[in-house]
Amino acid sequence: KAGVTQTPRYLIKTRGQQVTLSCSPISGHRSVSWYQQTPGQGLQFLFEYFSETQRNKGNFPGRFSGRQFSNSRSEMNVSTLELGDSALYLCASSSQRTGWDIQYFGAGTRLSVL
Amino acid sequence: AQSVTQLGSHVSVSEGALVLLRCNYSSSVPPYLFWYVQYPNQGLQLLLKYTTGATLVKGINGFEAEFKKSETSFHLTKPSAHMSDAAEYFCAVVEYGNKLVFGAGTILRVKS
Repeated sequence: KAGVTQTPRYLIKTRGQQVTLSCSPISGHRSVSWYQQTPGQGLQFLFEYFSETQRNKGNFPGRFSGRQFSNSRSEMNVSTLELGDSALYLCASSSQRTGWDIQYFGAGTRLSVL
Repeated sequence: AQSVTQLGSHVSVSEGALVLLRCNYSSSVPPYLFWYVQYPNQGLQLLLKYTTGATLVKGINGFEAEFKKSETSFHLTKPSAHMSDAAEYFCAVVEYGNKLVFGAGTILRVKS
């Protein structure tokens, strides 16, 4: 069974640009969460989507947004990139069958903002 | 809000020695607690999970953790360290829904 797949693995952008990251959850998983990982702030929750609806949201500015499609794939978008947005962005999925609280993480997308 | 504190950002042990990684949580209700491991350039992998019930939780790769409510602790241990255990370890607690709150992480170094 394929794991959580995140694309691309690496991205380099410049300040002011926008970026879209993609996450394909494990087959059958309907909940997708996003986390930002930085050396200074550690792992922080961005948001969670379930059945195409945002269910939870962390304390990030409105420049960070996401969506989920009917096949449970999710994307997150960051507009007007800032240097501080450089981070590893992790996606995690979960399901009722394995337990909603058991989250399976992808390898992440490493975003560098120059 | 829930929070997790990991004592020691770096821990170094010799191969074959006991591994002890410390985690304290703050929660006013029985917590759901987790330990995750992250290898370089990879995502997080679940080691073990605590829900209400047994205080000693066994996980993968020989790791286990003991839940002590009186000390609000959930320390991770492994009797004998292996070189392949070198990684960063995160303690986490569920805040609400599927939102995980992570500790700052502990980098484990294993010396040969």
